[in-house]
Amino acid sequence: NAGVTQTPKFRVLKTGQSMTLLCAQDMNHEYMYWYRQDPGMGLRLIHYSVGEGTTAKGEVPDGYNVSRLKKQNFLLGLESAAPSQTSVYFCASSTYSETQYFGPGTRLLVL
Amino acid sequence: SQQGEEDPQALSIQEGENATMNCSYKTSINNLQWYRQNSGRGLVHLILIRSNEREKHSGRLRVTLDTSKKSSSLLITASRAADTASYFCATAISGGSYIPTFGRGTSLIVHP
Repeated sequence: NAGVTQTPKFRVLKTGQSMTLLCAQDMNHEYMYWYRQDPGMGLRLIHYSVGEGTTAKGEVPDGYNVSRLKKQNFLLGLESAAPSQTSVYFCASSTYSETQYFGPGTRLLVL
Repeated sequence: SQQGEEDPQALSIQEGENATMNCSYKTSINNLQWYRQNSGRGLVHLILIRSNEREKHSGRLRVTLDTSKKSSSLLITASRAADTASYFCATAISGGSYIPTFGRGTSLIVHP
């Protein structure tokens, strides 16, 4: 039981490049989330999903897209990376009204 | 906007002392969670307290919830240097989808 895993752990991009962050969970959770964490800002919700095939925008969705083709996976895409997207990205999963379980995070640096 | 906000932003104490941090929120909640984050690491879940609960304990941790004041507190008793971390509350608004939102956190330093 690996819980929530994230790939990659660290990535450096140049402005304008694209990439996909992968989140996987093995707990059969319906809900999955992508947050970003910047210094002094806490965690801010980017997108979330309430089930396979569904996605919804969070607080800071601009510049990101997501997909949930399989229940266990939640992908976060950056189509054209910008320096403002330099951050630490955390994925989480949960069932309704229960504990969120977080992945270890992905550090992204956009030059 | 962030639903929950922790107070104080920073707290510095000596080992053995108790640490208390608070979380205030704006609207009715389904539940409230407390997390710990060590520097450069992921989030570790501490306690989840539901809107119909008033107090929960876990080891040296005590969480209270006052829905009338829309606030919660996390008490760490007999603090240790290893408790040095940032502590976050996450609140999920009642009704609709389950979307916990986080505050900016309290940075706790416990001096040996």
